[in-house]
Amino acid sequence: EPEVTQTPSHQVTQMGQEVILRCVPISNHLYFYWYRQILGQKVEFLVSFYNNEISEKSEIFDDQFSVERPDGSNFTLKIRSTKLEDSAMYFCASSWIQRGGYNEQFFGPGTRLTVL
Amino acid sequence: QQPVQSPQAVILREGEDAVINCSSSKALYSVHWYRQKHGEAPVFLMILLKGGEQKGHDKISASFNEKKQQSSLYLTASQLSYSGTYFCGTSGGGATNKLIFGTGTLLAVQP
Repeated sequence: EPEVTQTPSHQVTQMGQEVILRCVPISNHLYFYWYRQILGQKVEFLVSFYNNEISEKSEIFDDQFSVERPDGSNFTLKIRSTKLEDSAMYFCASSWIQRGGYNEQFFGPGTRLTVL
Repeated sequence: QQPVQSPQAVILREGEDAVINCSSSKALYSVHWYRQKHGEAPVFLMILLKGGEQKGHDKISASFNEKKQQSSLYLTASQLSYSGTYFCGTSGGGATNKLIFGTGTLLAVQP
């Protein structure tokens, strides 16, 4: 069964450093998402991506964040200068459009980011 | 604004039933239910689109009352594998169908 994959599973970085989190969405999906979950809290929407551009972003997704689909398979989230409060689990998700306009989102296993 | 779930936590014995509620102050286009086990990704359970729709998945079913902006998840004859945190994700429609997740309900099923 196709699945969303993410690398690395765990990333430790120093405050102020740049990190890139990678995702490979399911191959025939059209919409891509990044969510994050701070330990013990709910899952929060960061950004959605369609047709090679951001379609929507949350207040959390400030200028320190960027997303890219550098080739036909990878979808990346870059944090330019990490802060302590960026420590969280980051989930990538993907979906396709079905008739009627609703779409199930499939989540990857997540990348745990720890900022020291 | 995030949807509110109730209860926050519930402890069951195997075989017992549970209901988890999700309500929103905003108009809903669809409701998605996910289960997340500790340290793992959320796993999709079901999606409800139409008002008053009810869907089932094995012994887990859900209803969606569009007018009341509420959804309920029903777990019958619970099994140990049902343990985890349940999140409802609501969508107000639009081009991206982004999900706004609820506060979560921790379900623990004991033998």
